[in-house]
Amino acid sequence: EVQLVESGGGLVQPGGSLRLSCAASGFIFNDYAINWVRQAPGKGLEWLSFISGSSRHIYYADSVKGRFAISRDNAKHSVHLQMDSLRAEDTAVYYCARDVSDHIGDSYFNIRFDPWGQGTLVTVSS
Amino acid sequence: VLTQSPGTLSLSPGERATLSCRASQSVSSSYLVWYQQKPGQAPRLLIYGASTRATGIPDRFSGSGSGTDFTLTISRLEPEDFAMYYCQQKGTSPRYSFGQGTKLEI
Repeated sequence: EVQLVESGGGLVQPGGSLRLSCAASGFIFNDYAINWVRQAPGKGLEWLSFISGSSRHIYYADSVKGRFAISRDNAKHSVHLQMDSLRAEDTAVYYCARDVSDHIGDSYFNIRFDPWGQGTLVTVSS
Repeated sequence: VLTQSPGTLSLSPGERATLSCRASQSVSSSYLVWYQQKPGQAPRLLIYGASTRATGIPDRFSGSGSGTDFTLTISRLEPEDFAMYYCQQKGTSPRYSFGQGTKLEI
């Protein structure tokens, strides 16, 4: 079974740091990019970051660029999100999601996120 | 930017639901995705490539559209279909974005 499991969430003070992890199983981990997406309480989905299978390509949303850093350890089938300088508005459930696509040669299409982990709650408060 | 409408859709089981997702710029159909999210759960993939149902998704769910206008249709609502629905696109910067969601309620 393809599965992603997040961990590392919790309560942190404003200005603090937290490191989230996403453990993957059931698929060839190196072959897939992974994304982080968050959802503030009662709000919609916000894409945060992408890391390719080789870690060669990394992207961030403007809202977290310079504060968050994504990385992966292919030997341990895990992806991490290092979150620094946390703010109250970073309070959310954080999901990791596998980036799936079809491709012919170097052309990628039918991109989708599947599956998603169950999420981990990050609360930034004093 | 993706704009979903309506914000809330109130219908009854057995009725037909039509959810809209409008993009501010033309989107490749290959990059338009729909997800369903129930309270306390992670989003679940429904439709990708604008019209292809994901594995295990019932055929009462269908997607259509092109360019800037996309639609998710649920032909006959079942009780378990009442949930939040989000559309998503792949862009350039940011790489991905979501619509604000449509709440489908009884």
